[in-house]
Amino acid sequence: GENVEQHPSTLSVQEGDSAVIKCTYSDSASNYFPWYKQELGKRPQLIIDIRSNVGEKKDQRIAVTLNKTAKHFSLHITETQPEDSAVYFCAASYFGNEKLTFGTGTRLTIIP
Amino acid sequence: DTGVSQDPRHKITKRGQNVTFRCDPISEHNRLYWYRQTLGQGPEFLTYFQNEAQLEKSRLLSDRFSAERPKGSFSTLEIQRTEQGDSAMYLCASATSRTGNEQFFGPGTRLTVL
Repeated sequence: GENVEQHPSTLSVQEGDSAVIKCTYSDSASNYFPWYKQELGKRPQLIIDIRSNVGEKKDQRIAVTLNKTAKHFSLHITETQPEDSAVYFCAASYFGNEKLTFGTGTRLTIIP
Repeated sequence: DTGVSQDPRHKITKRGQNVTFRCDPISEHNRLYWYRQTLGQGPEFLTYFQNEAQLEKSRLLSDRFSAERPKGSFSTLEIQRTEQGDSAMYLCASATSRTGNEQFFGPGTRLTVL
């Protein structure tokens, strides 16, 4: 089955700086890669996703890049703000097997 | 709130008791998923429904666990003879095959087994 590894497990950045979280996956059939943000005690919320037919997707301060050859994808947050502090999870799945396999999460702390 | 809802939000039970959780997906979402999340970990897949059909079950779902979605709308997850290791957050998510794989999560049911 699919295995998703996520690094780093914790990340602290100064407000205004950029944050990068990286994930690798094992199943070359995976073609859908979402990122979820989970604040303490709250539900995971989808913040951005990418499908394997594109290499990069951007939404305001958030971007995701995908390298299918290397089987890794990354989340980039620019101009970080205190409200970006949360746990971020990457995940992978493929059409026809709809379950998401999640990484272990990255706790991001923005230092004011 | 038109999002995914779950009930109850918290459940404390004694070991050996049975518990049942309910999930109401977003209206017209034909896909429904159950995940389990323990502290400091990502959600782990338990089972998946498309309409009323249960299409996949994880090996994590022992014979003490059963899930139903009788009319293709809400779903229930029952745990029989609970064990302390069942303590976790149980998350439900829904999706529609019309817009791809995007899954939207409910607030979860936190189970504590004493």
